[in-house]
Amino acid sequence: GIQVEQSPPDLILQEGANSTLRCNFSDSVNNLQWFHQNPWGQLINLFYIPSGTKQNGRLSATTVATERYSLLYISSSQTTDSGVYFCAVVHGSGNTGKLIFGQGTTLQVKP
Amino acid sequence: DAGVIQSPRHEVTEMGQEVTLRCKPISGHDYLFWYRQTMMRGLELLIYFNNNVPIDDSGMPEDRFSAKMPNASFSTLKIQPSEPRDSAVYFCASSSEGRRETQYFGPGTRLLVL
Repeated sequence: GIQVEQSPPDLILQEGANSTLRCNFSDSVNNLQWFHQNPWGQLINLFYIPSGTKQNGRLSATTVATERYSLLYISSSQTTDSGVYFCAVVHGSGNTGKLIFGQGTTLQVKP
Repeated sequence: DAGVIQSPRHEVTEMGQEVTLRCKPISGHDYLFWYRQTMMRGLELLIYFNNNVPIDDSGMPEDRFSAKMPNASFSTLKIQPSEPRDSAVYFCASSSEGRRETQYFGPGTRLLVL
């Protein structure tokens, strides 16, 4: 099956700093989503981005499907950005709609 | 829209008891997914439905787990009998298309089996 690897596994930032999170996947994808799991455990949709670039406020994401990676940029980080960031994909081959999740990047933003 | 609704939000039960988790998808969404999150295995799909029909149940761990979707606005995930290793957060998600659209997740049910 498809493999999803995220890096770095852990990240500590000072408030106001910028960061880049990476997601590598081993095969073609139909769907790629970025999620933020907040300290209360809720999974919040950030982006649906199987290809191209999107921006939403301080967050932006780029997926280069041909090179099998996606990047999540967080600018001017705030303490509320803390939590775990997940990348998840649906494999391009086959008919399943199953999202395969990476292991996540745990982000801590210090005031 | 209210988003995906799950109940209960927390459940504590004793080993051997039956547990029923409930989910109401976003209105108009034809796909409903059940995921489980554990420390050891991360987030993984258990089963998903299209138009109330189970499509992929390859992630259901064993016969103790069953899921139903009697209508477009309601699904249940049942564990009978429950075991301590079933302790996890169970998420329900829905989408308007199976592979190429955003899956929206509910708040999850945190299950603890003693």
